[in-house]
Amino acid sequence: QVQLVESGGGVVQPGGSLRLSCAASGFTFSSYGMHWVRQAPGKGLEWVAFIRYDGSNKYYADSVKGRFTISRDNSKNTLYLQMNSLRAEDTAVYYCAKDARMDYFDYWGQGTLVTVSS
Amino acid sequence: QSALTQPASVSGSPGQSITISCTGTSSDVGGYNYVSWYQQHPGKAPKLMIYDVSNRPSGVSNRFSGSKSGNTASLTISGLQAEDEADYYCSSYTSSSTLNWVFGGGTKLTVL
Repeated sequence: QVQLVESGGGVVQPGGSLRLSCAASGFTFSSYGMHWVRQAPGKGLEWVAFIRYDGSNKYYADSVKGRFTISRDNSKNTLYLQMNSLRAEDTAVYYCAKDARMDYFDYWGQGTLVTVSS
Repeated sequence: QSALTQPASVSGSPGQSITISCTGTSSDVGGYNYVSWYQQHPGKAPKLMIYDVSNRPSGVSNRFSGSKSGNTASLTISGLQAEDEADYYCSSYTSSSTLNWVFGGGTKLTVL
């Protein structure tokens, strides 16, 4: 069955950096696009970034453009999110989600919490 | 402020039916049949319930159904059960220049 396991979250100071990972299994990772979606404490879902199956195209929400970088290693079945210049408003649970035809998110990981605080 | 508008809360008694609306624009909900719905229990990851407006993934109860009219999509849950109590989010692909996928603000369903 499809499994997505995020890691790398933690507490970081404003202006700092963090790299999240998402280990995928149970499907052919190299054939599917992948997303990062976040949820601030007590708030709704916010799409963050998307990468095509082969890494050829990447898309970002305006709120993270220029600060976050999505990438993938298909040989390791792993998705990444490099987060730089972190702000308090980036505090959230970050979920990786498998893409379905650039249409919907059919499987989600359990999430990893990122807290930006001094 | 979310791109798609949902009611903050809805409620119903066991066995009843409820409907959650999701209003967008011609650039998202009204422009594509790419509306999906997600259920999220407290502390858990979202779960896909409906995709492409009205399709149910394998394993999702047929008590859940979706529809769309113009710029408004709807999720209907019939025969409410206690385990349906959760947050529900709609989502749509969008042709907006600033976003590619948008979510609604979420609706808290309370089963009385």
